[in-house]
Amino acid sequence: GDSVTQMEGPVTLSEEAFLTINCTYTATGYPSLFWYVQYPGEGLQLLLKATKADDKGSNKGFEATYRKETTSFHLEKGSVQVSDSAVYFCALSDRGSARQLTFGSGTQLTVLP
Amino acid sequence: NAGVTQTPKFQVLKTGQSMTLQCAQDMNHEYMSWYRQDPGMGLRLIHYSVGAGITDQGEVPNGYNVSRSTTEDFPLRLLSAAPSQTSVYFCASSQRQGAIGELFFGEGSRLTVL
Repeated sequence: GDSVTQMEGPVTLSEEAFLTINCTYTATGYPSLFWYVQYPGEGLQLLLKATKADDKGSNKGFEATYRKETTSFHLEKGSVQVSDSAVYFCALSDRGSARQLTFGSGTQLTVLP
Repeated sequence: NAGVTQTPKFQVLKTGQSMTLQCAQDMNHEYMSWYRQDPGMGLRLIHYSVGAGITDQGEVPNGYNVSRSTTEDFPLRLLSAAPSQTSVYFCASSQRQGAIGELFFGEGSRLTVL
């Protein structure tokens, strides 16, 4: 079945550091890929998405590129802020799955001032 | 601008007790779902519904029941709570048409079963 593997956390960075959170996937079809973010005490929010190979999703300074050849969707940000501290989830949606998402285990990011 | 509303936010149960987690959305979304979040395991789908009167099982449905009598509401019932059901539960919704995967989540319900 479909699966998503994320780099294990927690990740601690200083403000303005470069961020990479690795995500790889296994899927039988041609999935859409997503990054969701969960701030403390809140539900998940969609951060960015990509629906086909070589698409780049971007939002709030975060970027991720859909790499079919390496089955990856790594999240990057050039300069993190304290307000980026959250849990980040990589997810995929198989086109035949009626909007069901398969999530990775999440990566806790803490940004220190 | 309510979005997806879950109640209660916190609940403590004893083993064997039953309860219902409520979920309501005001966005006229046809698709609704319940996930549970456990440490190190991400979110796992419990049940989902593609419209009023239609429900189906997800990855971990055992011990849970759902019904969808209206578009707005999608309650999750625990029939006989077990300690293994201690978790944070999230309700989510999306439009039936439109981009796949753009789920809108509630703030979560933290359940502890003693």
